[in-house]
Amino acid sequence: DTAVSQTPKYLVTQMGNDKSIKCEQNLGHDTMYWYKQDSKKFLKIMFSYNNKELIINETVPNRFSPKSPDKAHLNLHINSLELGDSAVYFCASSPGLSKTQYFGPGTRLLVL
Amino acid sequence: GQQLNQSPQSMFIQEGEDVSMNCTSSSIFNTWLWYKQDPGEGPVLLIALYKAGELTSNGRLTAQFGITRKDSFLNISASIPSDVGIYFCVNSGNTPLVFGKGTRLSVIA
Repeated sequence: DTAVSQTPKYLVTQMGNDKSIKCEQNLGHDTMYWYKQDSKKFLKIMFSYNNKELIINETVPNRFSPKSPDKAHLNLHINSLELGDSAVYFCASSPGLSKTQYFGPGTRLLVL
Repeated sequence: GQQLNQSPQSMFIQEGEDVSMNCTSSSIFNTWLWYKQDPGEGPVLLIALYKAGELTSNGRLTAQFGITRKDSFLNISASIPSDVGIYFCVNSGNTPLVFGKGTRLSVIA
């Protein structure tokens, strides 16, 4: 009964490649998020979608493009991967903006 | 912008000891949240605080929302090995959420 799930859990790829990370939540929440956690464990929000509409975009390079096909899914596509993109990416959801967020298990991205 | 200062950055304690960590902000907040991240997992909500002065417990955990609305503390009593992880204070009530830099707790058995 996973509430927020992400795939893949691990992703190792070469610089310059394009990759996608998928997120699904079965909590019936309206709002979904992507966070990036760097090697120092700092968590920073990247995007937020509310009812499939982008509401937060926090100074993220346009190589990152989120897509929300429906309220239960928020995918993250990354073009032309760079070494600095290596991090753990967390998806989260909440019943509304500024409400308690539930996090997925994370996707560990390593760019070589 | 809003900044959250969380201290200490890291702690090494003996099993059975009590732990205290705190968070201060440059702005007034409406809600304080405390999350814990176990190694290799995503953060999980521990306690939510909604009113200045509020003191809330969750098992061995106790958290308080400071009267000035600019600070909060989290205490863990009688620590056990599974308390290991990173504890984040989080501002809520504004968008986007702001996470503190975390307190890394290690418990030595």
